[in-house]
Amino acid sequence: AQSVAQPEDQVNVAEGNPLTVKCTYSVSGNPYLFWYVQYPNRGLQFLLKYITGDNLVKGSYGFEAEFNKSQTSFHLKKPSALVSDSALYFCAVREIIRSYIPTFGRGTSLIVHP
Amino acid sequence: NAGVTQTPKFQVLKTGQSMTLQCAQDMNHEYMSWYRQDPGMGLRLIHYSVGAGITDQGEVPNGYNVSRSTTEDFPLRLLSAAPSQTSVYFCASSDASGSPDTQYFGPGTRLTVL
Repeated sequence: AQSVAQPEDQVNVAEGNPLTVKCTYSVSGNPYLFWYVQYPNRGLQFLLKYITGDNLVKGSYGFEAEFNKSQTSFHLKKPSALVSDSALYFCAVREIIRSYIPTFGRGTSLIVHP
Repeated sequence: NAGVTQTPKFQVLKTGQSMTLQCAQDMNHEYMSWYRQDPGMGLRLIHYSVGAGITDQGEVPNGYNVSRSTTEDFPLRLLSAAPSQTSVYFCASSDASGSPDTQYFGPGTRLTVL
């Protein structure tokens, strides 16, 4: 079975500081990994995904994520946070071949303080 | 393209009533899915479909039915509404080829069951 864990319910960071939102996953085989963002009263929007290739994936709005197979992690990062980055962030995993639809984590609320 | 559309945006039901949440996509995506979002629970998969005429259960299917008679439409039926089904419901679609696995989400339906 595929699963994903986001250990932090909330992450607080000052504007201009780097941010990290953590995600770990569990699959039997190889994973596809994703990050989505949800702004208030909106649906989820795709940020980035890891399919294969470089472990460092770059996505929308200056976000990036690093796939670490040995630690089964896919943390979301941004070098300099903006107040407008404040939102709910979801990590998701799909196990290649075994599953058609990804499993989402519980979400992490990112709050960027001015 | 309208993307993924959901109707209604808001709905209040009484316990025992039935209703159908509508979902449509105009991107010719093979995969469609329904999630519910509850505080602290993240997104949980209710049902999904990998093509017209093919549906399967997700993590929390009880109390819900789906059908997929066309590629475009994937309605979710609540058979006999219960207060535990109070939630925000999201429909999503993705392409089986091209840019696989990028999920496109609708704006959501906020359902309250009294």
